[in-house]
Amino acid sequence: EAQVTQNPRYLITVTGKKLTVTCSQNMNHEYMSWYRQDPGLGLRQIYYSMNVEVTDKGDVPEGYKVSRKEKRNFPLILESPSPNQTSLYFCASSLRWEGRNEQFFGPGTRLTVL
Amino acid sequence: AQSVTQPDIHITVSEGASLELRCNYSYGATPYLFWYVQSPGQGLQLLLKYFSGDTLVQGIKGFEAEFKRSQSSFNLRKPSVHWSDAAEYFCAVGYNTDKLIFGTGTRLQVFP
Repeated sequence: EAQVTQNPRYLITVTGKKLTVTCSQNMNHEYMSWYRQDPGLGLRQIYYSMNVEVTDKGDVPEGYKVSRKEKRNFPLILESPSPNQTSLYFCASSLRWEGRNEQFFGPGTRLTVL
Repeated sequence: AQSVTQPDIHITVSEGASLELRCNYSYGATPYLFWYVQSPGQGLQLLLKYFSGDTLVQGIKGFEAEFKRSQSSFNLRKPSVHWSDAAEYFCAVGYNTDKLIFGTGTRLQVFP
């Protein structure tokens, strides 16, 4: 089944404790992206990747890191999480970035930073 | 700056009633337009999309949307809402740049 998977689905952590949220897609997509969803703000892009080893900042990159060493994986790293990073996070992928391509979303990761 | 506006934060309708969710975008050229739905606890699923051609597009689950260039709008409609349609709906626009821009979402509540 074609899908985007994220792990973990739920995570509660404390301020400053490094964490990684994994994202993997099995559709051989070139483009991958991370979003955060907050009430009243919709989805905002954190980072995106056009292809392996090509990443760039989205609208809200502060406090996050990403890497794209393999085509299928695009982990999101929070080196020193803070309470303002408490949010619902989505990973998405599409065949390539052409503006018109549908993005496929993972199920989300709900992160709470105490 | 490119932006997407969904003016209705929360809409409540009765089951069987018609529905229209509003979406406006700001940009001179015609963008690629999408509607996504997010059911509780789920990721986003594409309902429909518009690139060019017929301005009335049909999607899944009985939804349709109409692109109106003069109003910079892409409103989502459904003639008869079902209780299972209760969800959050996001309008999004894509350009030949590197990201998809989302609206803030409209939460739909359906009463029996």
